[in-house]
Amino acid sequence: NAGVTQTPKFRILKIGQSMTLQCTQDMNHNYMYWYRQDPGMGLKLIYYSVGAGITDKGEVPNGYNVSRSTTEDFPLRLELAAPSQTSVYFCASSPYPQGTYEQYFGPGTRLTVT
Amino acid sequence: LAKTTQPISMDSYEGQEVNITCSHNNIATNDYITWYQQFPSQGPRFIIQGYKTKVTNEVASLFIPADRKSSTLSLPRVSLSDTAVYYCLVGDPDSNYQLIWGAGTKLIIKP
Repeated sequence: NAGVTQTPKFRILKIGQSMTLQCTQDMNHNYMYWYRQDPGMGLKLIYYSVGAGITDKGEVPNGYNVSRSTTEDFPLRLELAAPSQTSVYFCASSPYPQGTYEQYFGPGTRLTVT
Repeated sequence: LAKTTQPISMDSYEGQEVNITCSHNNIATNDYITWYQQFPSQGPRFIIQGYKTKVTNEVASLFIPADRKSSTLSLPRVSLSDTAVYYCLVGDPDSNYQLIWGAGTKLIIKP
């Protein structure tokens, strides 16, 4: 099992550009999450999904979009990148429903917007 | 949103027991309290979770008082490889599926 994989590992964007961060898991988990982590800070939930075709906003969804067409994939789309979106982005998956938070994380994507 | 509070940093020595406390004044009634470990340039890694009283696994113990307004992660006999940032994670009772991460405690283990 590869677990949770994320691509790319690093990316530099110019202000106003768009990009998609890819996330794939091979554990057949229903629950998937996107977080951002700013330097020296904890994680903030951007979007989550409880299964294919179902997504919902987390704490900081503005400037992002997601889709979940399959159980395995949960891409995060940045439209019109802004310097405030410079961060490390983590994708996570879990087989457990709301209330239990044992999650499996990918290695992260480090994004810089200049 | 609910709020969690952890010490920013802690130091200890190899072989000692380390206790890290997280205060969470308002959490979802039926949710577990979860702790993660994170090394630089890696994603967080699950350590332990519990609902109340005490939970123990092969790497840590978790103590949760009856009022669930705090939790204490206990790492027995730490080694240099336990140097990392430790986060507590709780569910917010007032928002649908909002997950609240603490700011993290940077634990430095000295030889």
